Amino acid sequence: NAGVTQTPKFQVLKTGQSMTLQCAQDMNHEYMSWYRQDPGMGLRLIHYSVGAGITDQGEVPNGYNVSRSTTEDFPLRLLSAAPSQTSVYFCASSVSQGDGYTFGSGTRLTVV
Amino acid sequence: GEDVEQSLFLSVREGDSSVINCTYTDSSSTYLYWYKQEPGAGLQLLTYIFSNMDMKQDQRLTVLLNKKDKHLSLRIADTQTGDSAIYFCAERATNSGYELNFGKGTSLLVTP
Repeated sequence: NAGVTQTPKFQVLKTGQSMTLQCAQDMNHEYMSWYRQDPGMGLRLIHYSVGAGITDQGEVPNGYNVSRSTTEDFPLRLLSAAPSQTSVYFCASSVSQGDGYTFGSGTRLTVV
Repeated sequence: GEDVEQSLFLSVREGDSSVINCTYTDSSSTYLYWYKQEPGAGLQLLTYIFSNMDMKQDQRLTVLLNKKDKHLSLRIADTQTGDSAIYFCAERATNSGYELNFGKGTSLLVTP
């Protein structure tokens, strides 16, 4: 099993550009989520999904869109990148409530 | 979400025990987790404890939970230089579904 795979690992965007951060898991986990990690802020939840076709907002959803058309994939879209979105983004998945989360290795995004 | 607090930095000598502390405020927390993050990597689940337990031991790791004081600790016995990393405490509350609430992380430095 590959676990949770995130691509790309690094990305530089110009302000106003759009892009999609990819996340895929091969563990048949129902729950998937996106977090951003900023220095001194810990991890903050952006969006999450409890199954295909179901998504909901987390703590910091503004500027991001998600969709969940399959169990395996949970892409995160930045519609119009802003410097405030410079961060490290982590995707995570879990088989059920209470089980530990499996995290991807992250995408380091810089918006200039 | 509710606050999860951790000290930011801990330094220990190789071979000593490390104790990383965490406090939380959500009394409905049902699951509490410890994650480890090495530089440039994602978060790795170390261990977790259910709120109806007081202690959990797993090899060199011991987790203690004091529900009355809402205090969680992670003890690492015989700390090694490979244990140098950032350690995150996280809680999941009964009414928060799958959402995890993370502390800001404790940076552990192990010196020879």
